Amino acid sequence: DGGITQSPKYLFRKEGQNVTLSCEQNLNHDAMYWYRQDPGQGLRLIYYSQIVNDFQKGDIAEGYSVSREKKESFPLTVTSAQKNPTAFYLCATRQGSTYEQYFGPGTRLTVT
Amino acid sequence: AQKITQTQPGMFVQEKEAVTLDCTYDTSDPSYGLFWYKQPSSGEMIFLIYQGSYDQQNATEGRYSLNFQKARKSANLVISASQLGDSAMYFCAMRESQTGANNLFFGTGTRLTVIP
Repeated sequence: DGGITQSPKYLFRKEGQNVTLSCEQNLNHDAMYWYRQDPGQGLRLIYYSQIVNDFQKGDIAEGYSVSREKKESFPLTVTSAQKNPTAFYLCATRQGSTYEQYFGPGTRLTVT
Repeated sequence: AQKITQTQPGMFVQEKEAVTLDCTYDTSDPSYGLFWYKQPSSGEMIFLIYQGSYDQQNATEGRYSLNFQKARKSANLVISASQLGDSAMYFCAMRESQTGANNLFFGTGTRLTVIP
């Protein structure tokens, strides 16, 4: 099946621990994105990558880190420096020649 | 300033009726695009429709159409013949070309409830 997978769907962590969220795609899309969604709000961009081994900060990158070692994978690490990490995290991809982004099913992270 | 504004937190529509979800935007970029996404309770964002700023005609995709009024900076989504499965959150988003990255800016969404 072609698509975007994010695992796990629900993730629980203790405060002070780093946690890595997975995003894998087999669509052969060039660009990948990480968004955060809080209750009652729209999506906010954390990081994006347009090609392998290159990525840029979005609007709310503080407390997060990413890597893009392979075209298919764009993992997001939520570090202990992120003040309010509890949120719904969505990964998206975009083919270089088009504008629309396609989203994965999301990971709901709860930090207590 | 907000780039995307959705002023309707919630909307109700009778099944089989049409409904319009409002979206206004703010940009100085002459080349931009407007999107609508649907988010069911499962959480996944589903792409519905896209309108480019230079497109001459309003975009349509099945029961979805985008009422693009450039001078008013509005890009309202019209859903015709509403179905129970249309109940979801709907987000308007915009891309700008000037950054070169085609990143999306999202509104806060409208929750649509279809009444049987």
